[in-house]
Amino acid sequence: AQSVAQPEDQVNVAEGNPLTVKCTYSVSGNPYLFWYVQYPNRGLQFLLKYITGDNLVKGSYGFEAEFNKSQTSFHLKKPSALVSDSALYFCAVRDKGYGQNFVFGPGTRLSVLP
Amino acid sequence: EAQVTQNPRYLITVTGKKLTVTCSQNMNHEYMSWYRQDPGLGLRQIYYSMNVEVTDKGDVPEGYKVSRKEKRNFPLILESPSPNQTSLYFCASSHLTGLNTEAFFGQGTRLTVV
Repeated sequence: AQSVAQPEDQVNVAEGNPLTVKCTYSVSGNPYLFWYVQYPNRGLQFLLKYITGDNLVKGSYGFEAEFNKSQTSFHLKKPSALVSDSALYFCAVRDKGYGQNFVFGPGTRLSVLP
Repeated sequence: EAQVTQNPRYLITVTGKKLTVTCSQNMNHEYMSWYRQDPGLGLRQIYYSMNVEVTDKGDVPEGYKVSRKEKRNFPLILESPSPNQTSLYFCASSHLTGLNTEAFFGQGTRLTVV
């Protein structure tokens, strides 16, 4: 069955330092992977997606994600964190065998400290 | 502007009093879905719809109903709300041209059932 894990409930990083938010997945076929961000009192906003091709995907607001098929991971990264990046981040997979529905991870709260 | 609109944003109601949360999208998306977000559980799918008059249960459909009479609207109905339905609800939509299309989310509806 398809599933998404985000092993860290909370990630703290100092402003200016690189950040990583981890995600691992399990799907029956080819993975279609997404990252979303949720700011307080807002809906989810799309950041980036992996479909095929380069394992390093670039997205909005300077974020990128690295797809690793052998480790079934899709970690979100940013070279230099901003305080404004503080938010809740969700990894998701879209699975053809699941009615094309999205399956979301539990979310990771990122806090960037000034 | 492309958007998914949910109403109301906030709702406090009493147990057993029927309510409807509306969702409308202006992107001509075929696929629409409802999720509830609870701390530590991420987003769990309630119902989804692939097109007009086509709806199906998600992971947590008990206590909810939906309808899809028009392509743009996908209301969520709670016939007899109970306190365990207190949650943050999101509506989402996307095209069904392939698994590589991201979903667009509404701003959320925070429901409290007392």
